[in-house]
Amino acid sequence: SAVISQKPSRDICQRGTSLTIQCQVDSQVTMMFWYRQQPGQSLTLIATANQGSEATYESGFVIDKFPISRPNLTFSTLTVSNMSPEDSSIYLCSVEGGLAGSPGPQYFGPGTRLLVL
Amino acid sequence: GENVEQHPSTLSVQEGDSAVIKCTYSDSASNYFPWYKQELGKRPQLIIDIRSNVGEKKDQRIAVTLNKTAKHFSLHITETQPEDSAVYFCAASSNQAGTALIFGKGTTLSVSS
Repeated sequence: SAVISQKPSRDICQRGTSLTIQCQVDSQVTMMFWYRQQPGQSLTLIATANQGSEATYESGFVIDKFPISRPNLTFSTLTVSNMSPEDSSIYLCSVEGGLAGSPGPQYFGPGTRLLVL
Repeated sequence: GENVEQHPSTLSVQEGDSAVIKCTYSDSASNYFPWYKQELGKRPQLIIDIRSNVGEKKDQRIAVTLNKTAKHFSLHITETQPEDSAVYFCAASSNQAGTALIFGKGTTLSVSS
């Protein structure tokens, strides 16, 4: 399976500021996904990031709040903008582990724990 | 869109007993169903998955069954051990390349010795 890393692993931020989370994969992948996991909750898909095109956002998530970049096939960033305490969550990126163009299991990065004060 | 329901939300068993977690899905186009185990403070780890052309899949003490007609699938853990204690999530997707997973709300499994 792909090796996925995220930076930062955790952060404490003040409300009104922004944080950019980085996701790096050790192999080229077509799609990368960003999920949010609020304390004690399940994983909720924020958006799907395809290299070379704009990210596709799920209902309830907007680009102005969660801008995503996908500059190449091994890297993506998620920015949490104008943060409020309700944004305190774990943010996880994931990738599909199959061969390029083939569906396969999805694997997760270690997550970024964000606390907004 | 897809909606995945998972039951029970909590499950307590004695070591050596079996545990069963059930999920239902709404989108008949879904045909890939993975299960993840998440220990406290860790990332979700894929433990087993099943595709719609298969009714059952086993991997040692873990098995998953799928009833596509009824749109439900289940995780079975036999001979439970304390290290099986974790939160388990089911998920569904259409299994086309690049399709995101939709998760159930999770089941907290506690195995007491």
